[in-house]
Amino acid sequence: GAGVSQSPSNKVTEKGKDVELRCDPISGHTALYWYRQSLGQGLEFLIYFQGNSAPDKSGLPSDRFSAERTGGSVSTLTIQRTQQEDSAVYLCASSSTPLYEQYFGPGTRLTVT
Amino acid sequence: QKEVEQNSGPLSVPEGAIASLNCTYSDRGSQSFFWYRQYSGKSPELIMSIYSNGDKEDGRFTAQLNKASQYVSLLIRDSQPSDSATYLCAVKPPRAGGTSYGKLTFGQGTILTVHP
Repeated sequence: GAGVSQSPSNKVTEKGKDVELRCDPISGHTALYWYRQSLGQGLEFLIYFQGNSAPDKSGLPSDRFSAERTGGSVSTLTIQRTQQEDSAVYLCASSSTPLYEQYFGPGTRLTVT
Repeated sequence: QKEVEQNSGPLSVPEGAIASLNCTYSDRGSQSFFWYRQYSGKSPELIMSIYSNGDKEDGRFTAQLNKASQYVSLLIRDSQPSDSATYLCAVKPPRAGGTSYGKLTFGQGTILTVHP
């Protein structure tokens, strides 16, 4: 079946602009996660959605970052007033339940100029 | 102390040898453990999961977990050049405050090079 999909695959934006990144999880997966991977850095957790529960936003680095998940499926990560330090690969993952394996999408490479 | 620690490598092994990748974690209550493979410029790909003490084998891969020592390892038998990648150890921490705690904590990754 189809895996996790993300769009766009690449995004170049100017400092100060807002960007939206989209994630479409594996069908039937109730848990959805956003991570960030900066050049030479490890994977950093950002936010986690599970069903209709309130999201775990503990990893969001600043209030410029927000995310929503509509209808328990597609998720959008929004970064307002982008900064150069926001440049990274943003990865989305989903799992059938929070306990089990997470499968990653191909990522969105964000470059802030 | 980092929550999840791996030797960054690079680890270099000859083709056909066994590659041994190690990972330690700090939270004794951690529940689930995963190994991901990441090729340069690509996203992480799940290769193994392990939930209980002991060994778990899948093809050329064996994951080993020792919760008492807070240690998890990945063995790759008959290593191939196509196994050359960064291997990420990921740990799911225990539930906090009675809520489900879904995030994974990743190590920095071990770079593996398999040379012909």
